Amino acid sequence: DTEVTQTPKHLVMGMTNKKSLKCEQHMGHRAMYWYKQKAKKPPELMFVYSYEKLSINESVPSRFSPECPNSSLLNLHLHALQPEDSALYLCASSQDLTTGRAQYFGPGTRLTVL
Amino acid sequence: GEDVEQSLFLSVREGDSSVINCTYTDSSSTYLYWYKQEPGAGLQLLTYIFSNMDMKQDQRLTVLLNKKDKHLSLRIADTQTGDSAIYFCAESPNTGNQFYFGTGTSLTVIP
Repeated sequence: DTEVTQTPKHLVMGMTNKKSLKCEQHMGHRAMYWYKQKAKKPPELMFVYSYEKLSINESVPSRFSPECPNSSLLNLHLHALQPEDSALYLCASSQDLTTGRAQYFGPGTRLTVL
Repeated sequence: GEDVEQSLFLSVREGDSSVINCTYTDSSSTYLYWYKQEPGAGLQLLTYIFSNMDMKQDQRLTVLLNKKDKHLSLRIADTQTGDSAIYFCAESPNTGNQFYFGTGTSLTVIP
């Protein structure tokens, strides 16, 4: 099973709202990733967690706050977003951060900020 | 390892072969990947190749790697309408597992 699940599938929020995106995998992977993808563009890495600890933060604004409560779950908390944050948010996981571990992606959350 | 280039568009007739090309820059890349993304969906891992290989075949998919020219290609035999999607190559340089994605190639299959 190489499935990564994400909820919700779609999210519309105002600039003053607080919402969370959720990602789950049951492959026993110890590395999890958040990406942001604009239409027709490649995914851009936001955060990487390794063994539930934040490993990489690609200079993401503080209005995005990641959380890894356990090895299977990854959350992305959103607060005071801007319209330009509207995008597809993709979660991925890999066995660990050893070079060459394939990353498996979830279906994404389509976020619209009004 | 951040400038991974692909042609933006490719159009082929159903039943023909498709060849999607990718040029990467980091010679230390040990693994190179191909992902498929259908509209509104996430990225699906299609195949990958280790840098000490020249070719890898998996059913209708053939990956060719020219390490000297840092050129990677994906050939899809007997292309079907269900193959219409955006295809991304990705390199994984020999430092951690950070992926650098190509610009993506939009493949259109004409019935």
